[in-house]
Amino acid sequence: KAGVTQTPRYLIKTRGQQVTLSCSPISGHRSVSWYQQTPGQGLQFLFEYFSETQRNKGNFPGRFSGRQFSNSRSEMNVSTLELGDSALYLCASSLVGSRTEAFFGQGTRLTVV
Amino acid sequence: AQTVTQSQPEMSVQEAETVTLSCTYDTSESDYYLFWYKQPPSRQMILVIRQEAYKQQNATENRFSVNFQKAAKSFSLKISDSQLGDAAMYFCAYRSADNDMRFGAGTRLTVKP
Repeated sequence: KAGVTQTPRYLIKTRGQQVTLSCSPISGHRSVSWYQQTPGQGLQFLFEYFSETQRNKGNFPGRFSGRQFSNSRSEMNVSTLELGDSALYLCASSLVGSRTEAFFGQGTRLTVV
Repeated sequence: AQTVTQSQPEMSVQEAETVTLSCTYDTSESDYYLFWYKQPPSRQMILVIRQEAYKQQNATENRFSVNFQKAAKSFSLKISDSQLGDAAMYFCAYRSADNDMRFGAGTRLTVKP
């Protein structure tokens, strides 16, 4: 069974640009969550999608958005990039209606220069 | 919102010895899940152990066990017979009834040969 796949693994962008990250969950998992990981702030919850609907949202500005497709694949978008957006972005998937563990991808390392 | 606190930014242990990582959380819910995740340098988050709040018995997975004190809102991880491969960042996580998962700041564990 394939794990959670995040693409790309590494990304370098310039301030002011926008970026789209992709996450393919484990087959059968319909809940996808996104996290931002930085050395200073740790792991911070961005949002969670289930059945193409955003169910939960963390405390991030509107420049951070996401969506989920009918096949449960999810994308997150960051517009008008700032230097502080440099981070490891992790995606996690889990089963429907389950409060069991989330399975994580390897993350996308975003560097904003 | 629920908060998760890991008060030990770094810990070290001698190979074959035992180490305990601390975690406390704040919640008003009675039903939730707790997890310990490991993030090695490869950065893939891996589930170590989980605990359902309604279960009084402490979870155990081979060399890993937890001390779950619900009234004290404490959830520590004990690693017995530490191995070099246990070196990693360890994150304590809380998952609420609405699927919102929050993480602690992490504890970096070093294993000395």
